[in-house]
Amino acid sequence: RKEVEQDPGPFNVPEGATVAFNCTYSNSASQSFFWYRQDCRKEPKLLMSVYSSGNEDGRFTAQLNRASQYISLLIRDSKLSDSATYLCVVNVRTGFQKLVFGTGTRLLVSP
Amino acid sequence: NAGVTQTPKFQVLKTGQSMTLQCAQDMNHNSMYWYRQDPGMGLRLIYYSASEGTTDKGEVPNGYNVSRLNKREFSLRLESAAPSQTSVYFCASSETDMRNSPLHFGNGTRLTVT
Repeated sequence: RKEVEQDPGPFNVPEGATVAFNCTYSNSASQSFFWYRQDCRKEPKLLMSVYSSGNEDGRFTAQLNRASQYISLLIRDSKLSDSATYLCVVNVRTGFQKLVFGTGTRLLVSP
Repeated sequence: NAGVTQTPKFQVLKTGQSMTLQCAQDMNHNSMYWYRQDPGMGLRLIYYSASEGTTDKGEVPNGYNVSRLNKREFSLRLESAAPSQTSVYFCASSETDMRNSPLHFGNGTRLTVT
């Protein structure tokens, strides 16, 4: 089983739609969680950290469920510019910052 | 601020050739990393440097060496390139190696080994 698993998609949604991605992780000792965004042929960029109580940043909401070992990202009112690959990233600290990256979920927002 | 700068952006090597990928950051970050990204796989850590003067192996270190030249610069060397090293390489830095210190990535180097 992969340490971090994501549905690769693509998720095809119209502008204005709400879309949600899930990500599961296998190591119950995982300590911190992030969503990164990666545009085609570009570097990953931090979208948001995921906190235990859930957190929101504008149209983006991240949730953590430790019991079921998954995190989610909800995007409301999708924009064309949201089209990208969303990487789930989990940190299992074993003496250094060991970040495990998921393979990403691709989102395509169409007019 | 340029952030994290990688050179070159593209490179084609023949099997057995050597090269060094350069990385520099101007954010005064302590920790630096080299990742590779291959289709269908998440980014995988090659080597990292938790602080100036230290380097350690990551998940896929074979075939690579690194040098933390100073606090700003962290280079990755391929001594004898192999086709399996065809990949996109990303350098990254973070303020510390602590768990909540986000990574800042360079633009990437697309390497093809023929």
